[in-house]
Amino acid sequence: EVKLVESGGGLVQPGRSLKLSCAASGFSFNDYWMGWVRQAPGKGLEWIGEINQDSSTINYTPSLKDKFTISRDNAQNTLYLQMSKLGSEDTAIYYCARIAAIDYWGQGVMVTVSS
Amino acid sequence: DIVMTQAPLSVSVTPGESASISCRSSKSLLHSNGITYVYWYLQKPGKSPQLLIYRMSNLASGVPDRFSGSGSETDFTLKISRVEAEDVGIYYCGQLLENPYTFGAGTKLELK
Repeated sequence: EVKLVESGGGLVQPGRSLKLSCAASGFSFNDYWMGWVRQAPGKGLEWIGEINQDSSTINYTPSLKDKFTISRDNAQNTLYLQMSKLGSEDTAIYYCARIAAIDYWGQGVMVTVSS
Repeated sequence: DIVMTQAPLSVSVTPGESASISCRSSKSLLHSNGITYVYWYLQKPGKSPQLLIYRMSNLASGVPDRFSGSGSETDFTLKISRVEAEDVGIYYCGQLLENPYTFGAGTKLELK
């Protein structure tokens, strides 16, 4: 069974940084592109970016490219999202997802940016 | 960026009847390889999105065949026949043709 489990969310002050993790299991992690999608409260889905199997290609939505960094550790079957200079507009549920068809999504982790 | 426009924003359906959701892209989603990179997802209340349809018309694993996808290069339709209570939620279309991937605003399906 494919499982994606995000962690690392919580309350963070504006301007600070936060790193999310996504533990993958049930499939060959290093065979897949992986990515992140977020959803602000009561809003739709927003693509953040994706990373290929050997981390040689990383794509970001342009508006987040200078704030967010995606990485992975294939030995640990883990995907990461490093977020910096956080603002209230970054308050959202963050989902990790298996790409190709975005066929599997994690349960999501809430990030709240507030003083 | 490719803009995905869904209609309607909400739909109310009597159980057992059918429903259709439309999605239009601002650019052709037909790749030169012949694949149309439009996808449909359902987000049930309080849950993560789940894949329903991939590459315009292919049913994802475990999805009931009451769901079907069709369309052209820029106009797409998700059809749900014989709507059931478990189909309630928000439906999103998305394009995975080019980065940044984008999604429609969502269509909320409710039961009458």
